[in-house]
Amino acid sequence: QQQVKQSPQSLIVQKGGISIINCAYENTAFDYFPWYQQFPGKGPALLIAIRPDVSEKKEGRFTISFNKSAKQFSLHIMDSQPGDSATYFCAARGAQKLVFGQGTRLTINP
Amino acid sequence: GAGVSQTPSNKVTEKGKYVELRCDPISGHTALYWYRQSLGQGPEFLIYFQGTGAADDSGLPNDRFFAVRPEGSVSTLKIQRTERGDSAVYLCASSLAGGGNEQFFGPGTRLTVL
Repeated sequence: QQQVKQSPQSLIVQKGGISIINCAYENTAFDYFPWYQQFPGKGPALLIAIRPDVSEKKEGRFTISFNKSAKQFSLHIMDSQPGDSATYFCAARGAQKLVFGQGTRLTINP
Repeated sequence: GAGVSQTPSNKVTEKGKYVELRCDPISGHTALYWYRQSLGQGPEFLIYFQGTGAADDSGLPNDRFFAVRPEGSVSTLKIQRTERGDSAVYLCASSLAGGGNEQFFGPGTRLTVL
């Protein structure tokens, strides 16, 4: 019940395209759903986050879509750029601690 | 202000040895978290401090792992009798109190047990 499942494991997108990463969870007690971006040798950095009472949140080129009934949420990166190439993790918070997905390695081809 | 810092950045040790990993949180952050990230995986929760006390240590894998935060700021993760399976990146994060506040991560300590 503590798992967060993330897909795909890796993704290649052309520059200017839309990158979409999906996550699913089981524990309905989760109360906060962040996405983190991680570059090699660095710690994860918060990209965007959403609470379960909101269905969508947009910040610049990044949008989270949240489907509470399906217990799924996704990250959309519009106009993807080579600098977006990184590993992305979805997460869910329960009892103060974060449960992370397995990660998606995103490559944006120029 | 400075972000979360962790030392050392890399630690190589031999099986059976004892190691200490240090985390300096962002000034004023009362909540501190340790996570472990194995190669190709997402971070996994180890322990959470609110102030000086461990509020949740349910993620510590066994009694070889221990963490302290004696003055409510710097924290040390201690691993006794290291095993090859302990090799991973150990990440520290801090936040303002607990609750609905963003966790800011440090760069991690890469531990390699030979």
